[in-house]
Amino acid sequence: GQNIDQPTEMTATEGAIVQINCTYQTSGFNGLFWYQQHAGEAPTFLSYNVLDGLEEKGRFSSFLSRSKGYSYLLLKELQMKDSASYLCAPMDSNYQLIWGAGTKLIIKP
Amino acid sequence: GAVVSQHPSRVICKSGTSVKIECRSLDFQATTMFWYRQFPKQSLMLMATSNEGSKATYEQGVEKDKFLINHASLTLSTLTVTSAHPEDSSFYICSARQGEREQYFGPGTRLTVT
Repeated sequence: GQNIDQPTEMTATEGAIVQINCTYQTSGFNGLFWYQQHAGEAPTFLSYNVLDGLEEKGRFSSFLSRSKGYSYLLLKELQMKDSASYLCAPMDSNYQLIWGAGTKLIIKP
Repeated sequence: GAVVSQHPSRVICKSGTSVKIECRSLDFQATTMFWYRQFPKQSLMLMATSNEGSKATYEQGVEKDKFLINHASLTLSTLTVTSAHPEDSSFYICSARQGEREQYFGPGTRLTVT
């Protein structure tokens, strides 16, 4: 079956760095997306990895290891507005995104 | 990123009535549009996938006669919740994709059925 595993909730301090891990199992693989979702709002696109390695985009970086079925999202210089849920979504062989419950990130001053 | 709009953003209707939600891709042609439902503190649940000009593909457990989807053009898809009941109250989100690229989400529609 298809499965995604992320921590349910994480807490970090403003200005610090946090890494949100994701392991996945899918039927085929066509890349992995990270989305940010604030409470009561729709998800917004953060990053896309299809090859192994690290993709850096400003304060956010995303890493992928296809052989391990593993990805992480790294957030640097945390700001209060980064408090949100972060959704790891691999794309299967049918180009469908597989969604888990996401990780709720709480930023404290 | 690409822009997807959804209308209305919030709707309250009486039990037994029907509600139509529109999803538009504003600056690109969406070959595929997706409709999701999300209950509080739960993950996104894919309801159906629609390709322009063809019938929508519904996920298991989603009643196609209750949730009518029309994808009449490359920039517009509509979801009609027919004979709505209180258990249909939820956050409905559409997303649009061009080819096999990332999905861009609309802002969502919060439906409350009284």
